[in-house]
Amino acid sequence: DGGITQSPKYLFRKEGQNVTLSCEQNLNHDAMYWYRQDPGQGLRLIYYSQIVNDFQKGDIAEGYSVSREKKESFPLTVTSAQKNPTAFYLCASSTELAGLYEQYFGPGTRLTVT
Amino acid sequence: AQTVTQSQPEMSVQEAETVTLSCTYDTSESDYYLFWYKQPPSRQMILVIRQEAYKQQNATENRFSVNFQKAAKSFSLKISDSQLGDAAMYFCAYRGNYQLIWGAGTKLIIKP
Repeated sequence: DGGITQSPKYLFRKEGQNVTLSCEQNLNHDAMYWYRQDPGQGLRLIYYSQIVNDFQKGDIAEGYSVSREKKESFPLTVTSAQKNPTAFYLCASSTELAGLYEQYFGPGTRLTVT
Repeated sequence: AQTVTQSQPEMSVQEAETVTLSCTYDTSESDYYLFWYKQPPSRQMILVIRQEAYKQQNATENRFSVNFQKAAKSFSLKISDSQLGDAAMYFCAYRGNYQLIWGAGTKLIIKP
């Protein structure tokens, strides 16, 4: 089955540690995205990548880093510089082929930093 | 800059009845795409319906339909015959330059 996987579902870290969230897709989509969602709020874009080896900052990129070495993978690192990292993180992908622009989402990772 | 506004933080509806969720947006573009997504308690984001701005006909997917008013920049979602499984957060989104611009969401409560 095609889809997007994120692991782990729950992640706990101590303050000051970097942590990497995994996102893999087998939909053959060119574009991938990382969002942050805080309680009672909408989605805020952290980073996005339209092609391999290229990515752009979103609205809240500070304290985060990404890489896009393979089409299928777009890992997100939450660094110790992120002042309030506890949140729900969603990964998504999309394609613009055939005029399809909607984004497909993974199940998300809940990160708790104490 | 494009913005998306959902003015109803929470809505409730009796099971089997109809409810309409509101969404307005601001853009200077003439060709764009609009979406409604559903986020149930599992937090999985699910596409409900999409609308291309160049199409005058309102999109429909089973019990879900939209009222797209391009001149008014309005994109409401109508859910007919509401079911308990429709309880979720609903987000309206506008496709900008390779990005989706998101509304803050409306929490839909279904009363049995």
